[in-house]
Amino acid sequence: NAGVTQTPKFQVLKTGQSMTLQCAQDMNHEYMSWYRQDPGMGLRLIHYSVGAGITDQGEVPNGYNVSRSTTEDFPLRLLSAAPSQTSVYFCASRNTGGYGYTFGSGTRLTVV
Amino acid sequence: DAKTTQPNSMESNEEEPVHLPCNHSTISGTDYIHWYRQLPSQGPEYVIHGLTSNVNNRMASLAIAEDRKSSTLILHRATLRDAAVYYCILRGLSGGSNYKLTFGKGTLLTVNP
Repeated sequence: NAGVTQTPKFQVLKTGQSMTLQCAQDMNHEYMSWYRQDPGMGLRLIHYSVGAGITDQGEVPNGYNVSRSTTEDFPLRLLSAAPSQTSVYFCASRNTGGYGYTFGSGTRLTVV
Repeated sequence: DAKTTQPNSMESNEEEPVHLPCNHSTISGTDYIHWYRQLPSQGPEYVIHGLTSNVNNRMASLAIAEDRKSSTLILHRATLRDAAVYYCILRGLSGGSNYKLTFGKGTLLTVNP
């Protein structure tokens, strides 16, 4: 099992560009989430999904869109990148009755 | 969401036990206590969780106070690979709190050789 796979690992964007961060899991987990981590801070929840077709906002959703068309994939879209979105982004997944989330290795995004 | 308080940093020597404290005085009766750790340049990793009773697994032990207002993560023999930021997180069972992890700044554990 690959677990949670995030691509790309690194990305540099110009202000105003859009892009999609990919997240895929092969564990048939129902719950998936996106977090961002700024330097010296804990992770903050952006969006989450409790199953295919169901998403909801987290703590810091502005500037990001998500959709969940399959159980495996949960892409995060940046609509118009801003320097304030420079961060490390983590995707996580968990089974319905599971205890702990499995996290990906992260995408380091820089917006210039 | 109920809040947790952890020391900013702790230091330990290799092969010695480490006790990482966490205060959660506003914990509700259905909140589980979860611990994650984040090694340098990696995503967080689930360590252990508990509700009322002390818990053990291959990675660590979790000691929960009788009034549940505090807990301690115990690493029985610290290794250099245990150097990480440790997060104590409360996770509820109802509604949105079941799906969210609220991370604080955690405790940075340094392990000396």
